[in-house]
Amino acid sequence: GENVEQHPSTLSVQEGDSAVIKCTYSDSASNYFPWYKQELGKGPQLIIDIRSNVGEKKDQRIAVTLNKTAKHFSLHITETQPEDSAVYFCAASGYQKVTFGTGTKLQVIP
Amino acid sequence: GAGVSQSPSNKVTEKGKDVELRCDPISGHTALYWYRQRLGQGLEFLIYFQGNSAPDKSGLPSDRFSAERTGESVSTLTIQRTQQEDSAVYLCASTPTYNEQFFGPGTRLTVL
Repeated sequence: GENVEQHPSTLSVQEGDSAVIKCTYSDSASNYFPWYKQELGKGPQLIIDIRSNVGEKKDQRIAVTLNKTAKHFSLHITETQPEDSAVYFCAASGYQKVTFGTGTKLQVIP
Repeated sequence: GAGVSQSPSNKVTEKGKDVELRCDPISGHTALYWYRQRLGQGLEFLIYFQGNSAPDKSGLPSDRFSAERTGESVSTLTIQRTQQEDSAVYLCASTPTYNEQFFGPGTRLTVL
């Protein structure tokens, strides 16, 4: 089955700096890679996703890159703000089954 | 429209009791997923439904766990003879395809 590894497990950045979270996956059949943000006491919310036919996708301060050959993908948050503080999960999906990474707790220090 | 709802939001039970957790997916979403999230941990896949059938039950931790779904609607996750290690947040998500999952707020289960 699919295995998704996520690093780092915790990340602290100063407000305004960039944050990068990296994930690797094992199943070459995976073709959909979403990123979720989970705030305390809430369910995860999708923030951005990418499909295997695209190398990079950007949405305002958030971008995701995908390297199919190396089987890794990354989340980039620029100009971080305190409200970006949360736990972020990457995931890899083939047909219907979604495998999540173990999460990264991001703390943005004002 | 309404999102995914789960009930109860919190459940405290005694060891050995049975509990039922409910998930109301977004109307029209064909697939429904259950996950378990222990404190400070990631999402552990339990089971998913396509319609009212469950093609993948591989994540259910033991035979004390079961789930059912009525058509493309409500799903219930039942835990029999609860143990303290069952304490966690149980999350439900629905999706119109196999893409974006819409999560509910979760049920926090505490087994004393």
